[in-house]
Amino acid sequence: TQLLEQSPQFLSIQEGENLTVYCNSSSVFSSLQWYRQEPGEGPVLLVTVVTGGEVKKLKRLTFQFGDARKDSSLHITAAQPGDTGLYLCAGDSGGGTSYGKLTFGQGTILTVHP
Amino acid sequence: ETGVTQTPRHLVMGMTNKKSLKCEQHLGHNAMYWYKQSAKKPLELMFVYNFKEQTENNSVPSRFSPECPNSSHLFLHLHTLQPEDSALYLCASSQDRRGMGTGELFFGEGSRLTVL
Repeated sequence: TQLLEQSPQFLSIQEGENLTVYCNSSSVFSSLQWYRQEPGEGPVLLVTVVTGGEVKKLKRLTFQFGDARKDSSLHITAAQPGDTGLYLCAGDSGGGTSYGKLTFGQGTILTVHP
Repeated sequence: ETGVTQTPRHLVMGMTNKKSLKCEQHLGHNAMYWYKQSAKKPLELMFVYNFKEQTENNSVPSRFSPECPNSSHLFLHLHTLQPEDSALYLCASSQDRRGMGTGELFFGEGSRLTVL
């Protein structure tokens, strides 16, 4: 069974601070997705990383895929209250008939205070 | 219309009731999913339908019964549920890429289920 460990589970910070969320596994994934879920909504995809060592930037968010494709991180610079939400990483085994079988981490609840 | 629509948004039912959750996607995708989201637990995949055929049943109890009449609609029929089944049930769709892994999942807003 593939597992994705996300840390920290909870993060409460002040506006303007930086933060990093980690997603780790002992399994190799063909790609890894990051989603954000706001209260009362479904998760929304932020980014997909595919290549080991890949770094993608989305405004103040920086996503990195580990060289071995077993881990990933999300770094937010100068957090804003609008960044508040549940952040989920999801690993994809890829190929064959494994579509839809994403392995999700348990999520990181981020609260950014004004 | 939003991409993936779920109804009802909230449902309270007794353990002997029969109810159904409905999901509709307007994105032209060929795969639809049911996920269960419980507090402090990872999203759990329940069922996958691809081209209207069930391709995954992740050891889900028979009190949950999925139905996919066409590629745009997905139902989850509920019968004799337990209080521990209370959770947010999320529907999602994607464009299946055979042999290429999972593409982006588009989620609905979820149906919050409470079993008394």
